[in-house]
Amino acid sequence: NAGVTQTPKFQVLKTGQSMTLQCAQDMNHNSMYWYRQDPGMGLRLIYYSASEGTTDKGEVPNGYNVSRLNKREFSLRLESAAPSQTSVYFCASSQGTGSSPLHFGNGTRLTVT
Amino acid sequence: SQKIEQNSEALNIQEGKTATLTCNYTNYSPAYLQWYRQDPGRGPVFLLLIRENEKEKRKERLKVTFDTTLKQSLFHITASQPADSATYLCALDMTTDSWGKLQFGAGTQVVVTP
Repeated sequence: NAGVTQTPKFQVLKTGQSMTLQCAQDMNHNSMYWYRQDPGMGLRLIYYSASEGTTDKGEVPNGYNVSRLNKREFSLRLESAAPSQTSVYFCASSQGTGSSPLHFGNGTRLTVT
Repeated sequence: SQKIEQNSEALNIQEGKTATLTCNYTNYSPAYLQWYRQDPGRGPVFLLLIRENEKEKRKERLKVTFDTTLKQSLFHITASQPADSATYLCALDMTTDSWGKLQFGAGTQVVVTP
């Protein structure tokens, strides 16, 4: 039982390059989330998927797109990376009921030069 | 806009003492509040949830209080151990729907010395 798995763990991009961050969960959770974490700013919600087939914007969606491929997988795409997107990206999942705790992966550390 | 404040200064504490962390919020009326632990290079791990109608919640050496009048939650680690050294995050629900969107504080680092 791996929980939430994120790939890759580390990535360096040049400005303008694109990439997709992958996330998969094996807990049969309904909801999945993408957060970014920057020093002193806490975790900020980028996009979320309340259930398979639905996605919606969070607090900081600009420059990102997401795909809920199936119930297990939720990917985050950067179409044209910018230095401001240098961050640690966390994927999380939950049952999706109001107070369900989030289960996080161990993050992808992205540097954009 | 909604704002969550946690003490940005690290809390240095001696083993065996009680660590107390504060989470203050404004412009919120959250139905519940959650606390997470984050170790370096890892994702946050859920610790405790407390609902707006609960004053206090305990789990082993952890205790959380929730004062909706003061808009504040306190997180206590009693009989602290070096293994408790980590960053602790509070999180509040952002919405009244059922999708569990949480807004997180920036976290407080706790350092427990032997």
